[in-house]
Amino acid sequence: DIQMTQSPSSLSASVGDRVTITCQASQDIRNYLNWYQQKPGKAPKLLIYGASNLETGVPSRFSGSGSGTDFTFTISSLQPEDIATYYCQQYDNLPYTFGQGTKLEIK
Amino acid sequence: EVQLVESGGGLVQPGGSLRLSCAVSGFTFSSYWMSWVRQAPGKGLEWVANIKQDGSEKYYVDSVKGRFTISRDNAKNSLYLQMNSLRAEDTAVYYCARGGGRPARFQHWGQGTLVTVSS
Repeated sequence: DIQMTQSPSSLSASVGDRVTITCQASQDIRNYLNWYQQKPGKAPKLLIYGASNLETGVPSRFSGSGSGTDFTFTISSLQPEDIATYYCQQYDNLPYTFGQGTKLEIK
Repeated sequence: EVQLVESGGGLVQPGGSLRLSCAVSGFTFSSYWMSWVRQAPGKGLEWVANIKQDGSEKYYVDSVKGRFTISRDNAKNSLYLQMNSLRAEDTAVYYCARGGGRPARFQHWGQGTLVTVSS
């Protein structure tokens, strides 16, 4: 199975900050990577697909980049409503696997 | 509006069985791969199984192979997960999600149904 390793596991930042989360795959997954946001008690929400494509309706402050084994998710200017846990997910090989999550908090 | 509504969760003893259902609306169900994804309490997300539009292809995570069966009824716009020989480690919120083929992006999710395996 492909292991997905996110860093950091938790992050505290201020409103307006630029926030970056990384995701590393245990093998080359091309650009077959998605990013999700999950708020407490809610289902995950797709934000980025294919490593860098913004899902319809998602604010442009969210972005993704990378290919191969190293990927980055960025929030350009953190907003209070962005408090959530973020997950990467690969779909190059079955079983589809998720990173362990990055919990984002407001400082 | 796309809606996915899971049901069928509950408390079950180890070794028992449960059948989850997911009723969908707001899109052409028969045109999409569908998946089940679970989340143990306080833990991350785990893809469990997916099924092709016509049910001809099904895939499972190793930990549930031989115990869980995914199925669908396109006439009823419904997805199912039959879970047998349940273990404590199957305790989780189970989400149905639209997607799971290539590209496997889960665009829409249900609200989840909690399965608790305990004596």
